[in-house]
Amino acid sequence: QQQVKQSPQSLIVQKGGISIINCAYENTAFDYFPWYQQFPGKGPALLIAIRPDVSEKKEGRFTISFNKSAKQFSLHIMDSQPGDSATYFCAASKQAAGNKLTFGGGTRVLVKP
Amino acid sequence: EAGVTQFPSHSVIEKGQTVTLRCDPISGHDNLYWYRRVMGKEIKFLLHFVKESKQDESGMPNNRFLAERTGGTYSTLKVQPAELEDSGVYFCASSQERDRGRFTEAFFGQGTRLTVV
Repeated sequence: QQQVKQSPQSLIVQKGGISIINCAYENTAFDYFPWYQQFPGKGPALLIAIRPDVSEKKEGRFTISFNKSAKQFSLHIMDSQPGDSATYFCAASKQAAGNKLTFGGGTRVLVKP
Repeated sequence: EAGVTQFPSHSVIEKGQTVTLRCDPISGHDNLYWYRRVMGKEIKFLLHFVKESKQDESGMPNNRFLAERTGGTYSTLKVQPAELEDSGVYFCASSQERDRGRFTEAFFGQGTRLTVV
C-alpha cells in the first residue's frame, strides 16, 4: 500500500508555463512534507518543504500548497525553465519517528524551450 | 563541505554473488538512512541508523541484506546472495537532529545503481 500517491507520472510544459504536481497522503501523523528534485545521475536534493501549520509556502518560483483536511499537497513551478527539467518527488515524514521519509512515485518534468 | 558520498556508482553482479555498498555521510551527521528505488517505483526506506545503532530497520526486505555502521561514521550495505529483484538504485542520506523530533534536511548521495544479472 503506497502511503503517498503522486500524480502525474510525467509532465511536459512549455517554457514560461506552470508545472503542477499533486500528492495525497494517508497517514495523519505525518508532520513534514518536503519536495525533492533529482537530475539524472544525481541524488534527490531538497527543493522546498512545508509543515502542516501553514497552507502555503513560496520560495522563488516554487510554491507548495497544503490542504490538511484533504490530506493533499502540491508543488507549483511558476515560469518553468528548461533547467527545471528533472524528476520531482514529494515525500512525508513523522519527525518524531526519526524523519524516515515516505516518497511518492515521482514525476518526470520536461520543460520545452 | 563534502556531501554524502556513495561507492561504487554502479555495480553489475551475477545472481548469487555478494555486493557491498558504502556510504560516507556528512561529517557530524548522526542520522544515516538507506533507501532504494526499484525501476519505475517510488523510493523506499530501508533503514535508519543513529550513530552506530539501528534505530529502524523496518524497510529491510529480507535477511539477505545486512547494514552496518561501525563507529558511527560510514555505513555499508551488503547483499548476500544477490537476487534479480535486488536491482535498483540504492541511496544513502544523512541528517542531524536539531532538537527533539526536529531534523535538518536529509542530504542524499548520488546513489549506487545495482544491476543483478
